[in-house]
Amino acid sequence: GENVEQHPSTLSVQEGDSAVIKCTYSDSASNYFPWYKQELGKRPQLIIDIRSNVGEKKDQRIAVTLNKTAKHFSLHITETQPEDSAVYFCAASNTGFQKLVFGTGTRLLVSP
Amino acid sequence: DGGITQSPKYLFRKEGQNVTLSCEQNLNHDAMYWYRQDPGQGLRLIYYSQIVNDFQKGDIAEGYSVSREKKESFPLTVTSAQKNPTAFYLCASSLGTRNEKLFFGSGTQLSVL
Repeated sequence: GENVEQHPSTLSVQEGDSAVIKCTYSDSASNYFPWYKQELGKRPQLIIDIRSNVGEKKDQRIAVTLNKTAKHFSLHITETQPEDSAVYFCAASNTGFQKLVFGTGTRLLVSP
Repeated sequence: DGGITQSPKYLFRKEGQNVTLSCEQNLNHDAMYWYRQDPGQGLRLIYYSQIVNDFQKGDIAEGYSVSREKKESFPLTVTSAQKNPTAFYLCASSLGTRNEKLFFGSGTQLSVL
């Protein structure tokens, strides 16, 4: 079955810096890669997702890149702000109803 | 909480007791899911359901049971067979059955007395 590894487990940056979170997956058949943000005490919310036919996707200050050959994908946050502080989860699944497998999460702290 | 409601927010279980967590959605989503979240771990899938009266086990189904009698509702029962039930439980739903763009509830924190 699919296995998703996520690094780092914690990440501290200064406001305005960029942050990068990386995930690797094991199942080459996986073709859907979402990222969820979970603020303290709140529910996870989808912030961006990418499919395997696309190498990069951007949405304002966030972007996701996918390297199918190496089986890894990354979340990039530019110009970080204190409200970006949260736990970020990556996940992977393949077509058909295959379960979404989550990484273990990255706690991002943005200091003013 | 905009479309998917979990209750209660906090729940305490005594030894040997079964407890049921409620999950209701008014998004007309087809699929519903239960995840367990432990500190330092990702979300782990307990059960999921694509259609009414049908559900499948996830990775950690032992000690749990579910039902899907209505499209809107997917309650989770934590049985006495679950020896380590203390965790944060998240219910989610998605339009269609392709496990994409999950919309989560606000969660239930279950603790053992």
